[in-house]
Amino acid sequence: NAGVTQTPKFQVLKTGQSMTLQCAQDMNHEYMSWYRQDPGMGLRLIHYSVGAGITDQGEVPNGYNVSRSTTEDFPLRLLSAAPSQTSVYFCASSGQGHLNQEAFFGQGTRLTVV
Amino acid sequence: GDSVTQMEGPVTLSEEAFLTINCTYTATGYPSLFWYVQYPGEGLQLLLKATKADDKGSNKGFEATYRKETTSFHLEKGSVQVSDSAVYFCALGRGQGAQKLVFGQGTRLTINP
Repeated sequence: NAGVTQTPKFQVLKTGQSMTLQCAQDMNHEYMSWYRQDPGMGLRLIHYSVGAGITDQGEVPNGYNVSRSTTEDFPLRLLSAAPSQTSVYFCASSGQGHLNQEAFFGQGTRLTVV
Repeated sequence: GDSVTQMEGPVTLSEEAFLTINCTYTATGYPSLFWYVQYPGEGLQLLLKATKADDKGSNKGFEATYRKETTSFHLEKGSVQVSDSAVYFCALGRGQGAQKLVFGQGTRLTINP
């Protein structure tokens, strides 16, 4: 079972470069989310989606774009990378319904912006 | 807005010791509460959850009770093992799924043999 797959696992960018972090899930989940993890701050929500074609902002959306053209994929785009975006990024998915409140996480992408 | 506060880490214990990791939350209404665990180099995994007041979540010997009167969801285990070494996150969520979780800062736990 693949679950939630993120690529790449590691990436180094120069300030001002753009890139896309990929996220795919094979569980037919409606909900998908992107978080960033910084030391001492837990995980913070960047963007989320409740279905194909529907996205919304989380707590820290600035500098990031998302789209959801299919149920399976939820890419995160960094438009112009900044050192403040150095972080570990996690994608998560979950099913619908009050009984399905379990988020399944990918293994993360460690991004360094120099 | 919603927030979650966990006890400061890191926490270091000997094998078979009793574990408590404190978690309190601030939220309106009745969120669901979760404990997630992150092993080195991996993503987060759900450890246990509780969806209403007085519910007790349990898994792998860990327990936590949803206490609305004290807005707490403390994680406990009676006898820890070396394999429990990980980072533990308390979180709250709302709505139909788990697409908008609010996390505490995490507590790193190390168990020595």
